[in-house]
Amino acid sequence: AQSVTQLGSHVSVSEGALVLLRCNYSSSVPPYLFWYVQYPNQGLQLLLKYTSAATLVKGINGFEAEFKKSETSFHLTKPSAHMSDAAEYFCAVRGTGNQFYFGTGTSLTVIP
Amino acid sequence: GAGVSQSPSNKVTEKGKDVELRCDPISGHTALYWYRQRLGQGLEFLIYFQGNSAPDKSGLPSDRFSAERTGESVSTLTIQRTQQEDSAVYLCASSSRLADTQYFGPGTRLTVL
Repeated sequence: AQSVTQLGSHVSVSEGALVLLRCNYSSSVPPYLFWYVQYPNQGLQLLLKYTSAATLVKGINGFEAEFKKSETSFHLTKPSAHMSDAAEYFCAVRGTGNQFYFGTGTSLTVIP
Repeated sequence: GAGVSQSPSNKVTEKGKDVELRCDPISGHTALYWYRQRLGQGLEFLIYFQGNSAPDKSGLPSDRFSAERTGESVSTLTIQRTQQEDSAVYLCASSSRLADTQYFGPGTRLTVL
């Protein structure tokens, strides 16, 4: 079975500070992992995805995530937060039945 | 080109009424997914269409929920005899092939009074 757990439903960082959003997954097969962002009143947008190539994946808007098999983690980071990064972030894993399992989301607040 | 579109953007209905939600996927996308997002929660998988194959309905929460898709075009999600717990945002996504990026629509916010 596949699932993802996002630790911390709300994260607040100061503008310019490091952003770290945590995601741990459970998968019985080599996982395909995704991070999506949802800005207020908008649909979900893909930030980045891991599909068994390089373990460090770079995405849009300066975000990146590292796949760590030993820790079953796929944490999302950005070196310097910007006000425009305030949004809801979702981690997802693709299951064997072509379903995608999403975490409960982390709301990021950026403090000026 | 155009992204995934959904209609209506908002729907308010009375308990017991039927509702139909529509999704227009990106042209050429063979896969289409429906999700439900309750307030403050993650996305809950409902149903998945891939081309002309039989849909994966394993996520539908009850027999009041059904969905149709003709070929690789529009899909409709129907909820019969709506209940207050059906209140949520219903999201549609499409992708060009298995395990590829899902492109999401803006969602339909359903409120059941």
